[in-house]
Amino acid sequence: SQQGEEDPQALSIQEGENATMNCSYKTSINNLQWYRQNSGRGLVHLILIRSNEREKHSGRLRVTLDTSKKSSSLLITASRAADTASYFCATDGMGNTPLVFGKGTRLSVIA
Amino acid sequence: AAGVIQSPRHLIKEKRETATLKCYPIPRHDTVYWYQQGPGQDPQFLISFYEKMQSDKGSIPDRFSAQQFSDYHSELNMSSLELGDSALYFCASSLGDRVAYNEQFFGPGTRLTVL
Repeated sequence: SQQGEEDPQALSIQEGENATMNCSYKTSINNLQWYRQNSGRGLVHLILIRSNEREKHSGRLRVTLDTSKKSSSLLITASRAADTASYFCATDGMGNTPLVFGKGTRLSVIA
Repeated sequence: AAGVIQSPRHLIKEKRETATLKCYPIPRHDTVYWYQQGPGQDPQFLISFYEKMQSDKGSIPDRFSAQQFSDYHSELNMSSLELGDSALYFCASSLGDRVAYNEQFFGPGTRLTVL
């Protein structure tokens, strides 16, 4: 099954630094999405990148997608303590299919 | 804008009891997905419905059942609860006919604790 695997599993950085998280998957996808989750809370949709897109920006977020390598990266620039959360990538196939989530990266931004 | 509504937000049950979780999708969304997220785990897909019919089935135990009603809300019924069923249960909705842009909108989740 297609599955996003993320690395690193945990990342700790200083406020103001950039954070990069990576996601790999196994099969062809339609879209790849990134979600954020504060501890034990709901999933917040950050950004969706389609399979025919290579890069997308939203505020301090930059997502890249390399379908030849079946991988994506999420870059958070100028990180803030409030960015501390778990970040998940999720992929879906063609059609109205369920999301397959990666294991997530726990980001800690230290003030 | 209206979001996905889930109820209850928190639920505490004893082993072997039953539980019903409800999900109200965003207005005009016709597809509902259920996901389960155990402690420290990633969300796992359980089941989905499109236009009141089951469309995909994931790792949903036989003790669980779900349906989508005529107003598109969905209910997840869980019987013979086990300790391992303690998790966050998310519902997500999407517009099923926009198959090339399957953005799913998640509800806040129901935290189920089985004692």
